[in-house]
Amino acid sequence: KAGVTQTPRYLIKTRGQQVTLSCSPISGHRSVSWYQQTPGQGLQFLFEYFSETQRNKGNFPGRFSGRQFSNSRSEMNVSTLELGDSALYLCASSLALLAGEGDTQYFGPGTRLTVL
Amino acid sequence: QQQVKQSPQSLIVQKGGISIINCAYENTAFDYFPWYQQFPGKGPALLIAIRPDVSEKKEGRFTISFNKSAKQFSLHIMDSQPGDSATYFCAAREGSNYKLTFGKGTLLTVNP
Repeated sequence: KAGVTQTPRYLIKTRGQQVTLSCSPISGHRSVSWYQQTPGQGLQFLFEYFSETQRNKGNFPGRFSGRQFSNSRSEMNVSTLELGDSALYLCASSLALLAGEGDTQYFGPGTRLTVL
Repeated sequence: QQQVKQSPQSLIVQKGGISIINCAYENTAFDYFPWYQQFPGKGPALLIAIRPDVSEKKEGRFTISFNKSAKQFSLHIMDSQPGDSATYFCAAREGSNYKLTFGKGTLLTVNP
């Protein structure tokens, strides 16, 4: 079974631009979570989607947004990019067989975003 | 506010030795504690996880020890191998939501 895939793997943008990152969860997985990883702050939770609904949100500004499609694929968008947004953005998927039941989260390889 | 504190930041052990990484948490509502391993250029991969109703869980060379009263848990890697060299993250999760709170990570180097 294929793992979590993220596209693109690398991205270079300039300040003020916006960016969209994509995540395809493991087949059959219904929950998708997004995390930002930086050397200084480590791994920080951005948001989680289940059945096209955002169920949980971390402490990030409104410039960070996401959505989930009916096939469970998810995208996250960052508008008005800042230098500090340079990071590895990770997506994780979970089976979530029963709504509200936690289980193992499997991470993708991430998208490395560099903001110049 | 750092809800999960991890130490040490880096660790060097010899091949065959025991690697020990410690984590402490503050939120008593946390009820799921996974450890992730991350190699350069890869996403974190689940190693082993524990819930607070048990004090220890072992899977191969990896053992989690859990002390609920002290709000601490640790990862022990027995017979450490150079292939174990990676960054290890402890994490915690509350209830049935999918928000993982991570420690800052430990860079483990196992010398041959």
